[in-house]
Amino acid sequence: RKEVEQDPGPFNVPEGATVAFNCTYSNSASQSFFWYRQDCRKEPKLLMSVYSSGNEDGRFTAQLNRASQYISLLIRDSKLSDSATYLCVVNMDTGRRALTFGSGTRLQVQP
Amino acid sequence: DTAVSQTPKYLVTQMGNDKSIKCEQNLGHDTMYWYKQDSKKFLKIMFSYNNKELIINETVPNRFSPKSPDKAHLNLHINSLELGDSAVYFCASRQGQPPYYTDTQYFGPGTRLTVL
Repeated sequence: RKEVEQDPGPFNVPEGATVAFNCTYSNSASQSFFWYRQDCRKEPKLLMSVYSSGNEDGRFTAQLNRASQYISLLIRDSKLSDSATYLCVVNMDTGRRALTFGSGTRLQVQP
Repeated sequence: DTAVSQTPKYLVTQMGNDKSIKCEQNLGHDTMYWYKQDSKKFLKIMFSYNNKELIINETVPNRFSPKSPDKAHLNLHINSLELGDSAVYFCASRQGQPPYYTDTQYFGPGTRLTVL
């Protein structure tokens, strides 16, 4: 089983749609969770951290379910500029203090 | 103004050659990383340095040798390049020292290495 698993997509959605991405992680002792965004041929950038209580940043909502070891990202009112790959990232408490990245879910928002 | 910079951006070379990639961050961060992103887009950590000290060394062939002359720089030297080394290599930095890191890692623009 991969340490961090995501549906690779692509998700093709029209502008204005709501789209949700899911991610599961294998290590129940994982400490912190993030969504990063990576545009084509660019570096990953932090989109948002994910907290147990759920958190929202504008059109983006992230949720964490520790019991199911599951993280989600919801994007409302999709814009063309949201087209990118969304990486689920987990800080697993293995003593290494390194981030473990999922392979990403590609989103294509169409006009 | 670039926070994390890498050189070169593109590197095309023959099998068997030795090459280096340089990384610099001007954020005053304590910790720096090298990641490899292969053709399947998986981003995997290779090395991490904290204040010039190696703290993470993943299962990477010993042809790869990181060097950190100071906490703002982390270079990657690769000996005897192989076809499978073709990938995008990202440098990143993060504030704080283990175990008290901040959340955000800042990535450089990447170095696209092609081995022919």
